[in-house]
Amino acid sequence: QKEVEQNSGPLSVPEGAIASLNCTYSDRGSQSFFWYRQYSGKSPELIMSIYSNGDKEDGRFTAQLNKASQYVSLLIRDSQPSDSATYLCAVRGDSNYQLIWGAGTKLIIKP
Amino acid sequence: DTAVSQTPKYLVTQMGNDKSIKCEQNLGHDTMYWYKQDSKKFLKIMFSYNNKELIINETVPNRFSPKSPDKAHLNLHINSLELGDSAVYFCASTLTAGSSYNEQFFGPGTRLTVL
Repeated sequence: QKEVEQNSGPLSVPEGAIASLNCTYSDRGSQSFFWYRQYSGKSPELIMSIYSNGDKEDGRFTAQLNKASQYVSLLIRDSQPSDSATYLCAVRGDSNYQLIWGAGTKLIIKP
Repeated sequence: DTAVSQTPKYLVTQMGNDKSIKCEQNLGHDTMYWYKQDSKKFLKIMFSYNNKELIINETVPNRFSPKSPDKAHLNLHINSLELGDSAVYFCASTLTAGSSYNEQFFGPGTRLTVL
């Protein structure tokens, strides 16, 4: 059974600080990794994808991938109250057809 | 111009009824999905079609039946609704199921409440 694990939170971070969200996965053959943001009552929205080891930066967001440790993380710099949401980690498993989803981490940015 | 749309947005119905949810995408994608998200927010894959062919059929009650008339549309019909079917149902699409860059784009969701 392929799994993706996330701490459910809530993770509380003061405004302006760095929020660090973590995700581990069980399928060593996984190739593609995604972070989605979901506001309450809304649909998941893709914010970052990463396919190779290392860091990938997009504005205030940085995704980090370590395939040896089977670990992917998302850093949010200069956190804003509008970043408060649930962050879902998704991994493409050995089947090309579906993503394996984590249960999500609820992030709260306190003004 | 909505990329992935679903109707209806809200659906309130009685136990035992039959209902349908419709999904359409105008992204030119080949692959579409149905997900169920329960109150604990976990996204569970239900079905997927690639160019009208069923490619994922997870363990769901056979009261749920998907149908894809063409690659831009994916509908979900639910027979004999039960209380436990209450959830948000999301439709999603991706360019093609076989691609490594399997970014999925979601519709707004249909909140189903069974009374």
